[in-house]
Amino acid sequence: GIQVEQSPPDLILQEGANSTLRCNFSDSVNNLQWFHQNPWGQLINLFYIPSGTKQNGRLSATTVATERYSLLYISSSQTTDSGVYFCAVGPIYNQGGKLIFGQGTELSVKP
Amino acid sequence: DGGITQSPKYLFRKEGQNVTLSCEQNLNHDAMYWYRQDPGQGLRLIYYSQIVNDFQKGDIAEGYSVSREKKESFPLTVTSAQKNPTAFYLCASSTFSGTGSGYTFGSGTRLTVV
Repeated sequence: GIQVEQSPPDLILQEGANSTLRCNFSDSVNNLQWFHQNPWGQLINLFYIPSGTKQNGRLSATTVATERYSLLYISSSQTTDSGVYFCAVGPIYNQGGKLIFGQGTELSVKP
Repeated sequence: DGGITQSPKYLFRKEGQNVTLSCEQNLNHDAMYWYRQDPGQGLRLIYYSQIVNDFQKGDIAEGYSVSREKKESFPLTVTSAQKNPTAFYLCASSTFSGTGSGYTFGSGTRLTVV
């Protein structure tokens, strides 16, 4: 089945710094989502981005489907950005909306 | 406000017991999902359902069962056949295809075997 690899696995930033998280996937997809899991376990949908670029405030994401990777950019990081960021994909051959998750990038933003 | 409600937040199970986790959504979504998360890991799909009275196994369905009698509800039963049930269980819902920005998760149930 499709493989989803995220890097780096861990990241420590000082408040105000910028960061880039990467997601590589091994097969063609028609669904790609980025989620943020806060320290209490709640997952929040950040972006639906199977291709192209989107921006939402300090966060933006780019997916290059032909090269099978996606990037999540966090600018001017804040302590509330801490948590785990997951990339999840739906392969083209999927039936239904089931997603395959990467292992996540754990981000810690220090004041 | 629309959303997904999971209950209970914490659940303790004795060896040999079956337990049922509740998941209710008022987003009018067609599809619902159950994922399992182990410490430091990503999420893995247990079961999913795209329409009422129909559901499909995910990657780790052994030892679990589900039902979808109503569009709003998708309960998960962890049976005694599940040998390592201690984990964080997350319910989600989405449009029929799962695409778009509406893929929504509940706040989860932490299950511990005692």
